[in-house]
Amino acid sequence: NAGVTQTPKFQVLKTGQSMTLQCAQDMNHNSMYWYRQDPGMGLRLIYYSASEGTTDKGEVPNGYNVSRLNKREFSLRLESAAPSQTSVYFCASSDGVTSGGLETQYFGPGTRLLVL
Amino acid sequence: GENVEQHPSTLSVQEGDSAVIKCTYSDSASNYFPWYKQELGKGPQLIIDIRSNVGEKKDQRIAVTLNKTAKHFSLHITETQPEDSAVYFCAASWYNNNDMRFGAGTRLTVKP
Repeated sequence: NAGVTQTPKFQVLKTGQSMTLQCAQDMNHNSMYWYRQDPGMGLRLIYYSASEGTTDKGEVPNGYNVSRLNKREFSLRLESAAPSQTSVYFCASSDGVTSGGLETQYFGPGTRLLVL
Repeated sequence: GENVEQHPSTLSVQEGDSAVIKCTYSDSASNYFPWYKQELGKGPQLIIDIRSNVGEKKDQRIAVTLNKTAKHFSLHITETQPEDSAVYFCAASWYNNNDMRFGAGTRLTVKP
């Protein structure tokens, strides 16, 4: 099993450009998450999908949109990138509350995004 | 919402010594407390977790303690090794809530 995979690994954007970060998991998990990691601030939840067909806002959703394409895939879109969105983005998945409240999250390797 | 504070931000120990990282949380409804280890250039990896119905959990050299009254929990690493060097994150969430909140992280350095 590959676990959680993310593409791309690195990306440089200019202010105002758009892009989509891709995430896929092969663990048959119900829930998927997008976080951003900034120095000294830990991980902050952007959006999550508790199950296929549902998405919800996390702590810092402004400037982002998400799509739960199917059970395996969860994408994060930046419609108009801003320098404040320079960060490392992590996707994660878990069995989720629909499987008895198992909240353990498994993380991908991350996407490093620089917005100029 | 939940707020998690983590201390210290950096910790340096000699190989073989113990390391302790502490976290406090604000929401008394939180009942799940995982700890993650992040190595350079990689995603966080779960190393141990504890639920509110127990006060302590051990896994070889790693242990976590939880004090629900005081709303704090700690990670204890004994007999530290250089490969324990990494950034460690604590987190807190409550049942049926996918919104897990993380501490800011502790950079642990184990000197040979």
